[in-house]
Amino acid sequence: DAKTTQPTSMDCAEGRAANLPCNHSTISGNEYVYWYRQIHSQGPQYIIHGLKNNETNEMASLIITEDRKSSTLILPHATLRDTAVYYCIVRVGPGNQFYFGTGTSLTVIP
Amino acid sequence: DTEVTQTPKHLVMGMTNKKSLKCEQHMGHRAMYWYKQKAKKPPELMFVYSYEKLSINESVPSRFSPECPNSSLLNLHLHALQPEDSALYLCASSQDPVSQGTHEQYFGPGTRLTVT
Repeated sequence: DAKTTQPTSMDCAEGRAANLPCNHSTISGNEYVYWYRQIHSQGPQYIIHGLKNNETNEMASLIITEDRKSSTLILPHATLRDTAVYYCIVRVGPGNQFYFGTGTSLTVIP
Repeated sequence: DTEVTQTPKHLVMGMTNKKSLKCEQHMGHRAMYWYKQKAKKPPELMFVYSYEKLSINESVPSRFSPECPNSSLLNLHLHALQPEDSALYLCASSQDPVSQGTHEQYFGPGTRLTVT
């Protein structure tokens, strides 16, 4: 049921922007894209979500392409504490179900 | 307060045991979820409760039995599990699932279950 495709792993230098891509080519018009991260098998932590407009909060920015078939999560200044598995998720209704993709393991390098 | 709590943190049980996992939230959320996560894999949805009623069962074996006694509590009763059921069990909650607005799910820290 996974509706998203992400690269398995990425590295990023500390202090640089981390750009994590996600493909969701089968997304429907009313399905939101959510991003979560998971550190050391803790519970997943909410980062950001969007429908069709670009979004920004204190943690990250989310860029969604105009056709909504892909998106990019941007961590503007990566720190060592951002090392985690990042999941791109499409939320489907009516039960607000989250179907996780395989995730990207981001390693921030000093 | 955006906290979801889960107890116990760790649980070891034999294949003939009966045990329960507990999840609690006090954010007024009306949807609650159980996920199962195997090592190095993404979380997999098991059950969804909406307004204390089971709304989605993702074809989970009957040895897992969910229960939602009230809007703040969610239990997962375990009976006759197999070693392959060993995993991290995550609980989450979110706002009223049928209303407009944001519906991010808040996750608990999980219960690490080992079946021997």
